[in-house]
Amino acid sequence: KAGVTQTPRYLIKTRGQQVTLSCSPISGHRSVSWYQQTPGQGLQFLFEYFSETQRNKGNFPGRFSGRQFSNSRSEMNVSTLELGDSALYLCASRGDTLSSYEQYFGPGTRLTVT
Amino acid sequence: AQSVAQPEDQVNVAEGNPLTVKCTYSVSGNPYLFWYVQYPNRGLQFLLKYITGDNLVKGSYGFEAEFNKSQTSFHLKKPSALVSDSALYFCAVRDMGGGQNFVFGPGTRLSVLP
Repeated sequence: KAGVTQTPRYLIKTRGQQVTLSCSPISGHRSVSWYQQTPGQGLQFLFEYFSETQRNKGNFPGRFSGRQFSNSRSEMNVSTLELGDSALYLCASRGDTLSSYEQYFGPGTRLTVT
Repeated sequence: AQSVAQPEDQVNVAEGNPLTVKCTYSVSGNPYLFWYVQYPNRGLQFLLKYITGDNLVKGSYGFEAEFNKSQTSFHLKKPSALVSDSALYFCAVRDMGGGQNFVFGPGTRLSVLP
């Protein structure tokens, strides 16, 4: 099976702009989670979607949002970008049930906000 | 709330020597425990997991981990380190009694010296 794919891999945006990142999970996986990775804060959970419904949400401001489509592909959006949003954004997919165990990660999207 | 600690930011070991990367956790329910490895500019790769059963679990690339419930630990081990094992290692827990989110530790950078 093909792995988790994320597009784009690299992105440079200006403060105040908005950005949309895309994630395609492993075929058959219905759960998609998003994480923000920074050197200072480590890996922080943003949100998880399962069958187009947000199941869990981390402690991030409302500028961070996401959605999942019927084909399980997911997008996350960050509006009004701030310098502190510069990070590696990782997407991970899990299996076809809520009890599926391990997550499989994509290569990430490196967002730089200037 | 669940949490994961990795007490060492950096672990240095000589090639051929055994390695240990430490992890302790705190959860309200039964823990599902995971180890992931991250190479530069890559997403996280799954190494192994503990769900239930034998306290010693074996994973990819010769790694193993020992679950110790009384010490709430899940240390990662390998009998003989390779230079190619040099990477960033993350311990993670999924609290099956709580929100079932994955919580990651801060990461431990392993350097295997030739």
